[in-house]
Amino acid sequence: AQKVTQAQTEISVVEKEDVTLDCVYETRDTTYYLFWYKQPPSGELVFLIRRNSFDEQNEISGRYSWNFQKSTSSFNFTITASQVVDSAVYFCALSEISTGNQFYFGTGTSLTVIP
Amino acid sequence: DAGVIQSPRHEVTEMGQEVTLRCKPISGHNSLFWYRQTMMRGLELLIYFNNNVPIDDSGMPEDRFSAKMPNASFSTLKIQPSEPRDSAVYFCASKIELTLNTEAFFGQGTRLTVV
Repeated sequence: AQKVTQAQTEISVVEKEDVTLDCVYETRDTTYYLFWYKQPPSGELVFLIRRNSFDEQNEISGRYSWNFQKSTSSFNFTITASQVVDSAVYFCALSEISTGNQFYFGTGTSLTVIP
Repeated sequence: DAGVIQSPRHEVTEMGQEVTLRCKPISGHNSLFWYRQTMMRGLELLIYFNNNVPIDDSGMPEDRFSAKMPNASFSTLKIQPSEPRDSAVYFCASKIELTLNTEAFFGQGTRLTVV
C-alpha cells in the first residue's frame, strides 16, 4: 500500500494565484516525520520542510505554508502568490520509527506556473 | 559544505557494460541512501547505509545491482551487466542519523542511459 499519496499529478496555475498541493499519508506509528521536497527542472531534490507527528502547528515561511492535520492524515503545502520560479515537481515524504531510516516518497505533483 | 557530490552527472553506456556510480556524502553525515527515479515508478529506495554498514537493501532490483560504502566519505552503486530498463536518474542522499528527526540532503543525481 502506498504510504504517501499525492493525488494531484499535475497542476497549472497563473502567476500570482495561490495553489495548494495535497499530501495524505498512512502510518500506524505514533512517532513519525513528514517532509516536503522540491525538484525544479534542473533535477536536484531540495529540502523544504520537516514536521514531526507531535507538532501540529502550521508553519509559514515567506510565500510557503504547511497545514498538518493528524485527524485527516494530511500535510498540505500552499504557495501564496505563485511565481514562475515555483514551477517544479513537489514531493511529500514520510519517515517512521518502525521502519527505520528510510523515506517513503509520494509520486509527486508537477506544478506549472504560467506567466 | 559542497553538499552531496555525485559523479558522473550523465552516463551513456551500451547494454551489457558495467556501470559504476559514485557518491560523496556530506562530511559528518553517517547515513547514506541510493534512490532511483523513473517516470513509471517515481522515487525508489534501493539501499541505505548507516555508519558504512548496509541496513536495508531490499530495494535493490536484482543481483546485477551492488552497492558499497568502504568508508564514511564514499559510496558506489554498480550495475553489471547493465540493461536498457536500468535507464533512470540515480540519486544519492545523506543525513545525520542521530534521531529520526533529520532530513536527507540529495545530490544532483546521475542520469543513466543504457542503449
